[in-house]
Amino acid sequence: DAGITQSPRYKITETGRQVTLMCHQTWSHSYMFWYRQDLGHGLRLIYYSAAADITDKGEVPDGYVVSRSKTENFPLTLESATRSQTSVYFCASSTGDPGSAEAFFGQGTRLTVV
Amino acid sequence: QKEVEQDPGPLSVPEGAIVSLNCTYSNSAFQYFMWYRQYSRKGPELLMYTYSSGNKEDGRFTAQVDKSSKYISLFIRDSQPSDSATYLCAMTLPGTAGNKLTFGGGTRVLVKP
Repeated sequence: DAGITQSPRYKITETGRQVTLMCHQTWSHSYMFWYRQDLGHGLRLIYYSAAADITDKGEVPDGYVVSRSKTENFPLTLESATRSQTSVYFCASSTGDPGSAEAFFGQGTRLTVV
Repeated sequence: QKEVEQDPGPLSVPEGAIVSLNCTYSNSAFQYFMWYRQYSRKGPELLMYTYSSGNKEDGRFTAQVDKSSKYISLFIRDSQPSDSATYLCAMTLPGTAGNKLTFGGGTRVLVKP
């Protein structure tokens, strides 16, 4: 399927476990992003990537790790999940062209840490 | 204080009414302004995009940007129940990596038949 897909859509995990959220895009966009969405905070940037093997921190990176070995994939790992990481996670991609600021979002992964 | 402020709502209107949404921001360097619509349990999708002060129309939607006041608005005319969603404003600085977006918290809108 064309576009940006996230998996799983729903995940329940226990405190202290490692969990990886997957993101795959078919457009060959240079930039990819991970956001979390919480009530009262809107969408906050966790990490982003400009290209394969180039990643950088966003606003709320603590407790998260990312990698980007291939342009189309951008997994997000919670090394030791905490209850405060219960959230809806969105992956997005964009061309990064100066005249085109649109970001395209996946359907989201709803993560619950118990 | 957040860089982008948006009233969370909910905003409830009867079908056919005009919906008025707005955001204020503190960073005068923001130059691209967007409105995203997000249906329940879905990802945000771009609705309107502008990079200058003034008005932009697209069908029933009008986006306004007032850079001098650091204020942006979205108006929805002849609102329909299908417009019920959360509306997120977003903005970015020119030249930032990948045009990273800064979002408002979103306003939930309910259009009642």
